[in-house]
Amino acid sequence: EAGVTQSPTHLIKTRGQQATLRCSPISGHTSVYWYQQALGLGLQFLLWYDEGEERNRGNFPPRFSGRQFPNYSSELNVNALELEDSALYLCASSSPWTARTNEKLFFGSGTQLSVL
Amino acid sequence: KQEVTQIPAALSVPEGENLVLNCSFTDSAIYNLQWFRQDPGKGLTSLLLIQSSQREQTSGRLNASLDKSSGRSTLYIAASQPGDSATYLCAVGGTASKLTFGTGTRLQVTL
Repeated sequence: EAGVTQSPTHLIKTRGQQATLRCSPISGHTSVYWYQQALGLGLQFLLWYDEGEERNRGNFPPRFSGRQFPNYSSELNVNALELEDSALYLCASSSPWTARTNEKLFFGSGTQLSVL
Repeated sequence: KQEVTQIPAALSVPEGENLVLNCSFTDSAIYNLQWFRQDPGKGLTSLLLIQSSQREQTSGRLNASLDKSSGRSTLYIAASQPGDSATYLCAVGGTASKLTFGTGTRLQVTL
């Protein structure tokens, strides 16, 4: 069974450009999460999508946005890129939300975004 | 606001040693706690998940404990091997499916 897949693995952009990162969850998973791992800052929660809806959002500016498609894959868009957006962006997925306490996340290998 | 701290930040041990990694969190109202492993430039692999009602979980040479009242968790690794070298992350599960991560412990197991 395929795990969580992310593309591209590496992305190089310049300041002010837009970046689009993609994530395909494990088959049968309906929730997708995005995390940012910047150097020295640890993993920070970005966004959570479930059944096509944005359910929760971390403390990031509006230029970080995304969506979830009917097949549960997801896109993260970062507009007006800044140097400090350089980071590893990790996507995770989990099985359908039931008791709200049993989440186990499965992570992809990430997209390394470099902003020059 | 939940804050998660991991001590030590880095650890180097000789092969075969038993070791303990520590994680503390400030808000005891958690749903669960997970320990992950991250290899350089890679994503995360979930090692153990402890629900808030549980005290510990075991998987092979790994044992994780949870003391919610004191806001602490430990990950015990028995008979360490060079293949255990990685960064270990503790993550606390809160409301709306949000995980709050610690900054990790970088473990090096030497021959």
